[in-house]
Amino acid sequence: NAGVTQTPKFQVLKTGQSMTLQCAQDMNHEYMSWYRQDPGMGLRLIHYSVGAGITDQGEVPNGYNVSRSTTEDFPLRLLSAAPSQTSVYFCASRERGGWETQYFGPGTRLLVL
Amino acid sequence: TQLLEQSPQFLSIQEGENLTVYCNSSSVFSSLQWYRQEPGEGPVLLVTVVTGGEVKKLKRLTFQFGDARKDSSLHITAAQPGDTGLYLCAGSNQAGTALIFGKGTTLSVSS
Repeated sequence: NAGVTQTPKFQVLKTGQSMTLQCAQDMNHEYMSWYRQDPGMGLRLIHYSVGAGITDQGEVPNGYNVSRSTTEDFPLRLLSAAPSQTSVYFCASRERGGWETQYFGPGTRLLVL
Repeated sequence: TQLLEQSPQFLSIQEGENLTVYCNSSSVFSSLQWYRQEPGEGPVLLVTVVTGGEVKKLKRLTFQFGDARKDSSLHITAAQPGDTGLYLCAGSNQAGTALIFGKGTTLSVSS
């Protein structure tokens, strides 16, 4: 099992550009989520999904879109990048039953100039 | 709004010392988790505590969940340089759909 994979590892964008952060898991987990981590702020929830075709907003959803067409994939889209979106982004997945199966990906470091 | 406050924010100690990290909230959580994160990597789950008053041990790490399920602590005995990292506590939101994280405690253990 590869677990949770994220691509790219690092990306530089100019203000106004769009891009998609990829996240995939091979554990057949129903729940997937996206967090951003900023210095001194811990991890904050952006969007989450409880199954294919079902998504919902987290604490900081503005400027981000998600979709969940398959169980395995949960891409995060930045429609028009802003410097405030410079951060490290983590994708996570878990089984429906409990938090004991929560796994995080290795992260994508995004710099918006 | 559910919040988790972690203290201290930074901790720098010598190898062999003991330490305790605290995670406090005014809200009740159905469960709390502790994660450890190393630079350039994602958080890795250490433990989940579910029952008020529960104590779990993981080698030299002892985790405790408060009786009222509003707070938790992580105690490390005889810290080693390999314990260096960012320690995060996290609790489930009320819907059980996502985690609320504390801001973390950065631990540095020097030999």
